[in-house]
Amino acid sequence: QKEVEQDPGPLSVPEGAIVSLNCTYSNSAFQYFMWYRQYSRKGPELLMYTYSSGNKEDGRFTAQVDKSSKYISLFIRDSQPSDSATYLCAMKTGANNLFFGTGTRLTVIP
Amino acid sequence: DGGITQSPKYLFRKEGQNVTLSCEQNLNHDAMYWYRQDPGQGLRLIYYSQIVNDFQKGDIAEGYSVSREKKESFPLTVTSAQKNPTAFYLCASSYYGGGSGNQPQHFGDGTRLSIL
Repeated sequence: QKEVEQDPGPLSVPEGAIVSLNCTYSNSAFQYFMWYRQYSRKGPELLMYTYSSGNKEDGRFTAQVDKSSKYISLFIRDSQPSDSATYLCAMKTGANNLFFGTGTRLTVIP
Repeated sequence: DGGITQSPKYLFRKEGQNVTLSCEQNLNHDAMYWYRQDPGQGLRLIYYSQIVNDFQKGDIAEGYSVSREKKESFPLTVTSAQKNPTAFYLCASSYYGGGSGNQPQHFGDGTRLSIL
């Protein structure tokens, strides 16, 4: 079993839709959770960084962590064509090494 | 602007050849990392370095080598021993040490390596 599981998609939604992206994990020692956005032929760009359970909001993006279920989510409100990218979840314990999901490819259709 | 610069953007390797990928950062980060990204497999850690003149193997270090002579620079050499080197290589950096060990990693824009 992989430490981090992420549905690869692809996921297609109409412009303006609410997008929900999810990851599950098996290691209960993970404390820090990240979402990265990666455009084609580019490096991952940090979107959200959270610690512990709960919600964190930044503009149209909300990151949610449920440690009891070992489940994290990223919600995108009012999705735009410019949100079309691959979204990677990542997490770590107190050490610095990251464990990544395989990424979900999202397309927002105008 | 502060950031991580990887070069070249595209690189081609002949059989039996070693090639070196460059990674430079001006973020004053202590730690630097090299990942390999293959379709459907996510990012896999090759090597990482927490301080100058020190580095550790990641999950897939075989066929690769690194050096860390300067804080700003962490070049990766793909040797001829790496039998399947075609991939997208990503360099990252972060603060490290004490309470800052919990800082996220930031990435460069990658080098795509292909075999001729």
